[in-house]
Amino acid sequence: QVQLVQSGAEVKKPGASVKVSCKASGYTFTEYSMQWVRQAPGQGLEWMGWINPKSGDTKYAQKFQGRVTMTRDPSISTAHMELNSLRSDDTAVYYCARSYSETSSGDYWGQGALVTVSS
Amino acid sequence: DIQMTQSPASLSASVGDRVTITCRASQDIRNDLGWFQQKPGKAPKRLIYTASSVQNGVPPRFSGSGAGTEFTLTISSLQPEDFATYYCLQHNTYPFTFGPGTKVDIK
Repeated sequence: QVQLVQSGAEVKKPGASVKVSCKASGYTFTEYSMQWVRQAPGQGLEWMGWINPKSGDTKYAQKFQGRVTMTRDPSISTAHMELNSLRSDDTAVYYCARSYSETSSGDYWGQGALVTVSS
Repeated sequence: DIQMTQSPASLSASVGDRVTITCRASQDIRNDLGWFQQKPGKAPKRLIYTASSVQNGVPPRFSGSGAGTEFTLTISSLQPEDFATYYCLQHNTYPFTFGPGTKVDIK
């Protein structure tokens, strides 16, 4: 069965970076894109971007351009999302989600990784 | 960016009720819309894709309709496990954008 298992919770100081991982299983990693979505505490969902695990091509929301980097390692079926220059308003649960293509919505989601930014 | 609105923001309903949630896009998104259910502390779960296709494993009481700028999610007979927050997502134009959510709770 399809599973996306994300790395654990992180606590970071303002200005630091965080890297969240998403390990896929139950399907061929390179045949589906990976989207990243975040949710601040008590708030709605916010799309961050996607990566094509086969080519490494990425598309980021303008809001995160210059601060986010999405990468992948097909040898271990894992996608990563790194966010730099963290601020307190980056405190959120970060989700990865598999999607059939770069222009479709996510059908399977990871469990989420809480990133807390606090001094 | 395409703005997504949902109505109502919240609703109270009883088991067995028919529930309809509306999502509107600020411009034409064809049928590039998904509906998600989220329960507290859990990841979103996709219910509907391309506006009206039901995700495998989702009960048939869930249905979606619409195209262009107006879409609806209908739960034909609300069950106890359906109390949750529902979000729509447009994936027609970057950046993809979610609606603000509709919270469905018990009357």
